[in-house]
Amino acid sequence: QVSLKESGPVLVKTTETLTLTCTVSGFSLSNTRMGVSWIRQPPGKALEWLAHIFSNDEKFYSTSLKNRLTISKDTSKSQVVLTMTNMDPVDTATYYCARKGYHINWYEDYWGQGTLVTVSS
Amino acid sequence: DIQMTQSPSSLSASVGDRVTITCRASQSISTYLNWYQQKPGKAPNLLIYAASSLQSGVPSRFSGSGSGTDFTLTISSLQPEDFATYYCQQSFSMLETFGQGTNVEIK
Repeated sequence: QVSLKESGPVLVKTTETLTLTCTVSGFSLSNTRMGVSWIRQPPGKALEWLAHIFSNDEKFYSTSLKNRLTISKDTSKSQVVLTMTNMDPVDTATYYCARKGYHINWYEDYWGQGTLVTVSS
Repeated sequence: DIQMTQSPSSLSASVGDRVTITCRASQSISTYLNWYQQKPGKAPNLLIYAASSLQSGVPSRFSGSGSGTDFTLTISSLQPEDFATYYCQQSFSMLETFGQGTNVEIK
């Protein structure tokens, strides 16, 4: 069955670069009409989409964060990696990766459990 | 970017109540609108896609409607397991955006 799992540091310091890895199973990153998204949620706040990458390697980034984000994938390892530079305490959040599927329109149909990243000064 | 505005931000309801949550887009998004449910400490769960299509495995008491800029999520008879936060999301633009969420609490 489909599953996604986020991994990475639980604590980063201000100005450091965060690297998160999403390891997927049950589907291939080369499947057409499929992709992987990164979405975050600060404690007690709403969901915020960050980036997604598709099977053809097309990438999209949040307008407000695009200068700090890079998304990439390694199909052979079934992994999608997100890097975020110049971390700040306001970036403290649970970071989710999710599969992006398509039927009539795009949606996130399977989600990882999320990983809480705390940024400290 | 397309802004999504949900109302209300929170509501109190009783088991068995009919509950309606609205979502408004800052521009027309046709029916490129999804709804998610999130329980505390858990990842969101897709309920409705393309404004009115029920995701597999989701109870039929959930329904969605709307097109253009105005959308609704309706729970026909609220169950104890439905107390959660609900988010709308537009996928008309590849720069997708979420609403701020609606917290459904027990009255």
